[in-house]
Amino acid sequence: DAGVIQSPRHEVTEMGQEVTLRCKPISGHNSLFWYRQTMMRGLELLIYFNNNVPIDDSGMPEDRFSAKMPNASFSTLKIQPSEPRDSAVYFCASSFRGRGPSYEQYFGPGTRLTVT
Amino acid sequence: AQSVTQLDSQVPVFEEAPVELRCNYSSSVSVYLFWYVQYPNQGLQLLLKYLSGSTLVESINGFEAEFNKSQTSFHLRKPSVHISDTAEYFCAVSGRGNTGKLIFGQGTTLQVKP
Repeated sequence: DAGVIQSPRHEVTEMGQEVTLRCKPISGHNSLFWYRQTMMRGLELLIYFNNNVPIDDSGMPEDRFSAKMPNASFSTLKIQPSEPRDSAVYFCASSFRGRGPSYEQYFGPGTRLTVT
Repeated sequence: AQSVTQLDSQVPVFEEAPVELRCNYSSSVSVYLFWYVQYPNQGLQLLLKYLSGSTLVESINGFEAEFNKSQTSFHLRKPSVHISDTAEYFCAVSGRGNTGKLIFGQGTTLQVKP
C-alpha cells in the first residue's frame, strides 16, 4: 500500500491567497484526521471524519478554515484567506475503526505551508 | 475528556546509554495508550501501543513502555539508545468507546549524542 498521500508537499503563498491541501487516505480506512504542527502549539487536531462525515471540527481555528471529504478516498483542507500565522506543517492521518480496538493512525508525510 | 502530559521537552543522552521518556495522562474512562515517533521532516509513525492485556508492551526496535494505571503513566524506555533513535516522541491517549480520536502530548525530543 502507498500509505497516506498528501499534496503538495510544500506550499508557499502570499497572505490573502486561497490554499488547498489534499489527502488520499489508505484504501479501506474509514476515519480521517487533519492535524497542524507548529513549534509553539505542537500537534493540534483540526478536524476528523468517520465514514466521510465530519465528527468533530472543534479544533478548526476559525471560519477561514474548511474541510471536506466528498468520498472515502479524498479529503481537502482549505484556508481562505490565508495569513502568515497559518504557516505550519499540516498532516493528514487515516485509520480503520471496526468493532475491535485499534485506533492506530497512519500519518502522511505532511504539507509544509509558508504564508508570506 | 482526556489529556496527556509529557514531562520533558528535550532529553539529551549519550549513545548506548539507557533512556526514559515520561508520559502521564488523565481520563475519566478507560484508555488506550500509544507512543508515536517522528523523524526529521517526516510524519508520525506508531512505535507501540497498549490496548489491553499485558501492561508491558514492546516495539521491534528495542523500546518498551509500561502501562501503570495507579500512576496514570505510560513511560517509554530503551536500555541502550543509538544515534538513529534521535527523533521526537509523542505520547497519545484515546478513551475507549469514542470515535478513535487521539489526544497527543507536546512531544519529547530525544537527542542521542555520540
